Amino acid sequence: QKEVEQNSGPLSVPEGAIASLNCTYSDRVSQSFFWYRQYSGKSPELIMSIYSNGDKEDGRFTAQLNKASQYVSLLIRDSQPSDSATYLCAVIDSARQLTFGSGTQLTVLP
Amino acid sequence: DGGITQSPKYLFRKEGQNVTLSCEQNLNHDAMYWYRQDPGQGLRLIYYSQIVNDFQKGDIAEGYSVSREKKESFPLTVTSAQKNPTAFYLCASSIGQVIRNEQFFGPGTRLTVL
Repeated sequence: QKEVEQNSGPLSVPEGAIASLNCTYSDRVSQSFFWYRQYSGKSPELIMSIYSNGDKEDGRFTAQLNKASQYVSLLIRDSQPSDSATYLCAVIDSARQLTFGSGTQLTVLP
Repeated sequence: DGGITQSPKYLFRKEGQNVTLSCEQNLNHDAMYWYRQDPGQGLRLIYYSQIVNDFQKGDIAEGYSVSREKKESFPLTVTSAQKNPTAFYLCASSIGQVIRNEQFFGPGTRLTVL
């Protein structure tokens, strides 16, 4: 069973701080990695995609991928209360299926 | 205005009743998916379809059925055989089942068994 693991949280950070969300995956052949944001009662929204080792930045968001360690992370700089949501890590595995982690709940405190 | 629509937003089912959830997309995507989300959990794949008139079971297909008669539409039927159907159902679509397969989600249908 291919797995994607996340700390469920909740993770609380003060407004303006950096929030760091982590994800590990079990399928070593995985090639595509995604972060979705899901507000309470809403559907997931794709916020970052990353395919190669290293960092990828988009505005206040940075995704980091380390395939050797089977680890992907999401950094949110200058966190805002509007960033409070559940963040889902998702991985396309060797069978080309998208597998989701259970999500990390983030709360940004004003 | 391109996107994915799901209806209804809320659905209530009586015991022993079949219900059908609608999913439509106008993104010209080839692949469509159905997921189920339970409180505090990630998404689990029910069925997916890569082309018209073809679909495959996901991890939790028992008690569900689908059809793909048109590229734009992928309805999901929750049958009476599904013993615990109360959940949030999400439809998604993507260009195709390729390596860089970004999936985009509809707004979801919340199903409750009375």
